[in-house]
Amino acid sequence: AQKVTQAQTEISVVEKEDVTLDCVYETRDTTYYLFWYKQPPSGELVFLIRRNSFDEQNEISGRYSWNFQKSTSSFNFTITASQVVDSAVYFCALMQETSGSRLTFGEGTQLTVNP
Amino acid sequence: EAGVVQSPRYKIIEKKQPVAFWCNPISGHNTLYWYLQNLGQGPELLIRYENEEAVDDSQLPKDRFSAERLKGVDSTLKIQPAELGDSAVYLCASSLGSFGSVDTQYFGPGTRLTVL
Repeated sequence: AQKVTQAQTEISVVEKEDVTLDCVYETRDTTYYLFWYKQPPSGELVFLIRRNSFDEQNEISGRYSWNFQKSTSSFNFTITASQVVDSAVYFCALMQETSGSRLTFGEGTQLTVNP
Repeated sequence: EAGVVQSPRYKIIEKKQPVAFWCNPISGHNTLYWYLQNLGQGPELLIRYENEEAVDDSQLPKDRFSAERLKGVDSTLKIQPAELGDSAVYLCASSLGSFGSVDTQYFGPGTRLTVL
């Protein structure tokens, strides 16, 4: 069985603060893929990043960074110097090698960045 | 390059009425997905197409839901008859569908259905 848990339902920060969104996953597969998507109020899910289970290198893209730790089954997402435009729901998702192309999403974290 | 296109964006119907949603995937994408997203939850897969073939429809409630993807491009998802519990956002996604590889899925803006 595969499962994704995003324990933080809502986070509210003030602009320029750093914020970390947590993601914990469960899978029995040794090969799997992890994703983060952003869903702004317009409703469209925007792809942010993808990681496979054999690549534990952390990644940085501008103000975004991701910390993948297999030992704790976590794939956390940090936004540095948050901006109002970062306000959205963020979803972590898991795809197991044995599940075809089925994505299992967490329940999402609503991030609100206040000016 | 155009993204995934869905229409309509919003639909309000009375229960027991039929409704249909349309999706046009990214050009060149062979794999198409329909997801259901209830309020406050992550999307859940309803059906996946590889070209014209539905290869994963295990989560599709077949008593009232149907889907088709004629000619392996556009797709239509239908509900007949709609029930109050069907109120949700219906998302379409597409991916390249490269054999033997895992492709990233790109999503459309969704159709928000309200059943009264």
